[in-house]
Amino acid sequence: AQTVTQSQPEMSVQEAETVTLSCTYDTSESNYYLFWYKQPPSRQMILVIRQEAYKQQNATENRFSVNFQKAAKSFSLKISDSQLGDTAMYFCAFMKPLGSARQLTFGSGTQLTVLP
Amino acid sequence: EADIYQTPRYLVIGTGKKITLECSQTMGHDKMYWYQQDPGMELHLIHYSYGVNSTEKGDLSSESTVSRIRTEHFPLTLESARPSHTSQYLCASSEDRTGGSEQYFGPGTRLTVT
Repeated sequence: AQTVTQSQPEMSVQEAETVTLSCTYDTSESNYYLFWYKQPPSRQMILVIRQEAYKQQNATENRFSVNFQKAAKSFSLKISDSQLGDTAMYFCAFMKPLGSARQLTFGSGTQLTVLP
Repeated sequence: EADIYQTPRYLVIGTGKKITLECSQTMGHDKMYWYQQDPGMELHLIHYSYGVNSTEKGDLSSESTVSRIRTEHFPLTLESARPSHTSQYLCASSEDRTGGSEQYFGPGTRLTVT
């Protein structure tokens, strides 16, 4: 079974600064997908960024980028130029590509607060 | 915003009542999921479906049941609610691709059983 660990329950960052959220996972699979999801207060969870394990290049989406270290089983999220709207709970998640359901295994989340 | 809906958004009921949480999506997705989100915010998969007439239990044992009679509809039922069922329930869906598909989440139902 896969496990996902987020060791930072809470973090804060000043507006316009850069912050990095940590995530480690444990799996025996060689091919899989990793995700960061964001859950703003009282709003729906949305996808932030996705990484395919067989791709060496780190994924980037505007101000969001990841540092994917497959050997270390580490998948951190960097948010540049933090904005007040980035305040949310961030979840790291793992997905096996095989199997019919494509289930996600989530970490426990990191509450990020962007300070004005 | 994703086209996935949950009703009710908030529900307070007494112990022993039967309840059904509704989830609908208009994206034609084959796969649908129910997650339970505890007060510590961690999400656990309790049920999933990979198409009409298919349902499976997830990693977290749950006394709830689900059905999938139509592609767009995936209701969750508790026959006899208990205070331990107090939680937020999130529904999600994804399209049927080879892997790595994004899951789209509904707004959630916050259930309180007194």
